[in-house]
Amino acid sequence: AQTIHQWPVAEIKAVGSPLSLGCTIKGKSSPNLYWYWQATGGTLQQLFYSITVGQVESVVQLNLSASRPKDDQFILSTEKLLLSHSGFYLCAWSPGGDEQYFGPGTRLTVL
Amino acid sequence: QQQVRQSPQSLTVWEGETAILNCSYEDSTFNYFPWYQQFPGEGPALLISIRSVSDKKEDGRFTIFFNKREKKLSLHITDSQPGDSATYFCAATSGGNYKPTFGKGTSLVVHP
Repeated sequence: AQTIHQWPVAEIKAVGSPLSLGCTIKGKSSPNLYWYWQATGGTLQQLFYSITVGQVESVVQLNLSASRPKDDQFILSTEKLLLSHSGFYLCAWSPGGDEQYFGPGTRLTVL
Repeated sequence: QQQVRQSPQSLTVWEGETAILNCSYEDSTFNYFPWYQQFPGEGPALLISIRSVSDKKEDGRFTIFFNKREKKLSLHITDSQPGDSATYFCAATSGGNYKPTFGKGTSLVVHP
């Protein structure tokens, strides 16, 4: 069975500080991977997707970047956090079809 | 431009009743419609989905009714249970474009 792990579970960071969030999928080779952002009480906004190692497509510009250094790993990062970056970050994967399966999420608070 | 709309924004039903959550869309190229269930502090879980070639999809107490002509679909939860209390998101995508569009969600509360 496939499992998806996100780290850290939660972060409290200062405005202007750097950030790195991670996601790992186990039990599935060559998955499609996705990053989403969700404001408190809000909808899901896709940020990035990756079909293969080393290739990432940006969906919206939020002063964030993403990388896929390994087949099973997806990283979201920024060098300088903004207050507007606060929210719930979700990693998702799909086996190649339309279905997407979400991870447990990382709660980010920017002060 | 909001391409996927959900109503109502919030819904309260009693245990045992049928909850009906509505979704509509504008893009006629959308052909896959998943519904996600999200509990507070957790990631959304894929609950049930339908493709545009079907007009109904059933999985236990959860049923999607789909009307392609009117670009509408609904999720029916029969015999609602307090454990069904969650936020439900309708999404839509055109096959293979990797970028589903999500609605704003319906918050369901089931009272015992």
